Amino acid sequence: KAGVTQTPRYLIKTRGQQVTLSCSPISGHRSVSWYQQTPGQGLQFLFEYFSETQRNKGNFPGRFSGRQFSNSRSEMNVSTLELGDSALYLCASSLTQALDGYTFGSGTRLTVV
Amino acid sequence: AQSVTQPDIHITVSEGASLELRCNYSYGATPYLFWYVQSPGQGLQLLLKYFSGDTLVQGIKGFEAEFKRSQSSFNLRKPSVHWSDAAEYFCAVGAGDMRFGAGTRLTVKP
Repeated sequence: KAGVTQTPRYLIKTRGQQVTLSCSPISGHRSVSWYQQTPGQGLQFLFEYFSETQRNKGNFPGRFSGRQFSNSRSEMNVSTLELGDSALYLCASSLTQALDGYTFGSGTRLTVV
Repeated sequence: AQSVTQPDIHITVSEGASLELRCNYSYGATPYLFWYVQSPGQGLQLLLKYFSGDTLVQGIKGFEAEFKRSQSSFNLRKPSVHWSDAAEYFCAVGAGDMRFGAGTRLTVKP
């Protein structure tokens, strides 16, 4: 079966711009979580969505937002980009919850210049 | 608050040698524990998970982990390492807002 698909794979944006990242979960998976991965901070939890509702949220500023559609696909948006937002953004899906075990996508590498 | 500590940033082992990667957790109740592996340029892959029951958990690729409540540990082991095991390994704890350790990078010497 197809894995978790994240688009685009690479992105370069300028400070102050906004960006939208997309994630298509494994078919049948209803939970989608997002993580930011950087060399300095490691993997940090952004948010989790289930059935179009945000179920959990990490400690990130309001510039980071997300949503989930009825087909379980998810998007995350970062507004007013800062240099520190440069990171690998990973999407992970699971059947209904993280306890089922995540399947991760390959990520979107965002570079802010 | 839940948290995970992986004391070893980098470990080097010879191919065929045994491996143990350490993980210590802090969690208020019965922990939900996981080990993931990340190859360069890739997302993370689930190796194994523990919720309850038998404290020795078998995973994929020949890995196993042992839960020790008294030591708040969940160490990952493999009896004989293969060159393809070189990667970064992450221990994680929790549920909806799963927390990951900083990772241990494994290098395998020929």
